[in-house]
Amino acid sequence: ETGVTQSPTHLIKTRGQQVTLRCSSQSGHNTVSWYQQALGQGPQFIFQYYREEENGRGNFPPRFSGLQFPNYSSELNVNALELDDSALYLCASSFSPSSGNTIYFGEGSWLTVV
Amino acid sequence: AQRVTQPEKLLSVFKGAPVELKCNYSYSGSPELFWYVQYSRQRLQLLLRHISRESIKGFTADLNKGETSFHLKKPFAQEEDSAMYYCALQNYGGSQGNLIFGKGTKLSVKP
Repeated sequence: ETGVTQSPTHLIKTRGQQVTLRCSSQSGHNTVSWYQQALGQGPQFIFQYYREEENGRGNFPPRFSGLQFPNYSSELNVNALELDDSALYLCASSFSPSSGNTIYFGEGSWLTVV
Repeated sequence: AQRVTQPEKLLSVFKGAPVELKCNYSYSGSPELFWYVQYSRQRLQLLLRHISRESIKGFTADLNKGETSFHLKKPFAQEEDSAMYYCALQNYGGSQGNLIFGKGTKLSVKP
């Protein structure tokens, strides 16, 4: 059984550019959640995907968008990057979105916007 | 508004001393609360959830609805407990995985 994997681990982008972050969910998991963790802060929920549909969204602007693929892997896309988007982006997967299911986190992707 | 507050950024104790990591929440209704831990160079992982009423690695946490608290406790701290601890609340109407996290408390256990 493989855990949640994310790529890339680190990247640097310029303000105004676009970025795509990728996540492979743990084997057997159909639900993926994305979080943004700024330095010194706790993770902040961006959105969740369940069976390829968005299943809840946090307080993030529309330039944060996502996808989930038939194999349940997922992408997070951020357009028109701003300096404040610099953060660790965490992906987490679970067997389903129902209560009682443990969510498992990846190691994250560090994004620096200059 | 739903909110999780961890008042201490850093908590430093000696090995063998009791530990209490504080967590207060703001929520209407019956909350579902969790503690997550991140050891050095490891990923964030679930430590315990209140509905299980379990003890993991000697840690326990009791939900106090009157004080809206969910403090994490351990009677005798070990050096390997040194880590970042996050309290989290399942978002109202949200699914599992839709969590509100506190800012975290860094626990340092000295020998």
